[in-house]
Amino acid sequence: DAGVTQSPTHLIKTRGQQVTLRCSPKSGHDTVSWYQQALGQGPQFIFQYYEEEERQRGNFPDRFSGHQFPNYSSELNVNALLLGDSALYLCASSLYGGSASRYEQYFGPGTRLTVT
Amino acid sequence: EDQVTQSPEALRLQEGESSSLNCSYTVSGLRGLFWYRQDPGKGPEFLFTLYSAGEEKEKERLKATLTKKESFLHITAPKPEDSATYLCAVQALDFGNEKLTFGTGTRLTIIP
Repeated sequence: DAGVTQSPTHLIKTRGQQVTLRCSPKSGHDTVSWYQQALGQGPQFIFQYYEEEERQRGNFPDRFSGHQFPNYSSELNVNALLLGDSALYLCASSLYGGSASRYEQYFGPGTRLTVT
Repeated sequence: EDQVTQSPEALRLQEGESSSLNCSYTVSGLRGLFWYRQDPGKGPEFLFTLYSAGEEKEKERLKATLTKKESFLHITAPKPEDSATYLCAVQALDFGNEKLTFGTGTRLTIIP
């Protein structure tokens, strides 16, 4: 059973640049959520995608945008990178509808983004 | 606004020394409380979901319990491989809401 995968593993960018991170959900899942985790902190919700649309968004600026493809995979784009965007970016997948377990979110290994 | 507070921030135990981690939460209505384990530089690994006060779930040396204001993660006779950061998260029972609100975690170290 394939788990959540993310690419790349690590990324170094310069302030002002743009970055795209990718995520493939766990087999059988159709919903993808993105989180940002700063060092020593808990993950912070960025947004969630289902049926190729953004369903819910956290308190992040418009520089953060996303996309979901017909195969349920997803991308996170960040424009005009700031030093403060350096963090571990986590993708989580879940299954919309069905039993109570649909609320369980399974995380990928993350992408470590460093902005210099 | 949903809030999650975990204590202690860090905990060092001898191998075999049982203890509990605390997760206090404030949420308008609770849909679920989730426990995750996170190893350094890795993504969180799902452990348990608790949905209602009084509910308990167990997995190997771990047992999670839930009240109306807090959850406990009990670790019985821990081993060094239980060393990790344990994260607690809540999901509010608001229409259309599925975001998880996390605490900052408890960093657990088990000394052989």
